[in-house]
Amino acid sequence: GENVEQHPSTLSVQEGDSAVIKCTYSDSASNYFPWYKQELGKGPQLIIDIRSNVGEKKDQRIAVTLNKTAKHFSLHITETQPEDSAVYFCAASRDSGYSTLTFGKGTMLLVSP
Amino acid sequence: GAGVSQTPSNKVTEKGKYVELRCDPISGHTALYWYRQSLGQGPEFLIYFQGTGAADDSGLPNDRFFAVRPEGSVSTLKIQRTERGDSAVYLCASSSTGTDTDRYGYTFGSGTRLTVV
Repeated sequence: GENVEQHPSTLSVQEGDSAVIKCTYSDSASNYFPWYKQELGKGPQLIIDIRSNVGEKKDQRIAVTLNKTAKHFSLHITETQPEDSAVYFCAASRDSGYSTLTFGKGTMLLVSP
Repeated sequence: GAGVSQTPSNKVTEKGKYVELRCDPISGHTALYWYRQSLGQGPEFLIYFQGTGAADDSGLPNDRFFAVRPEGSVSTLKIQRTERGDSAVYLCASSSTGTDTDRYGYTFGSGTRLTVV
């Protein structure tokens, strides 16, 4: 089955800095890679996703890159703000349709004012 | 409703007891998923429903766990003879392909925190 590794487990940055979280996956058939933000006491919230037919996707201050050859993908957050502080999870699945997700273990991002 | 609703938000039960966790998906979403999240871990898949049927229950850890979705909307996760190791946050999510292919994905509920004492 799929195995998703995520690094780092914790990341502390100053407000305004950039943050990068990296994930690797093992199943070459995976073709859908979402990122979730989870705040304390809440469920994960989808913030951006990418499919295997593109290498990069941006949405305002966040971007995701995908390298299918190396089987890794990354989340980039620019101009970080204190409200970006949360746990971020990467995930992978074989289909962007009805399919189960395999999650990484999460990265706790702390943005200090 | 506007989002995925899970009840109760917290449940404390004694070892050996039976519990039921409820999930109300987004109206019209045909796919419903249950995940379990242990402290400091990512969500782990339990079971997936397409309509009323369980399309994939390969994540259920053992036969003490069972889930139903009799009318294709609300789902109930049932755990028999609870053990302390069952303590976790149980997350429900629903999804639909819809027409917004740029933002497809699950919508998770806030979860039920189950504590077995």
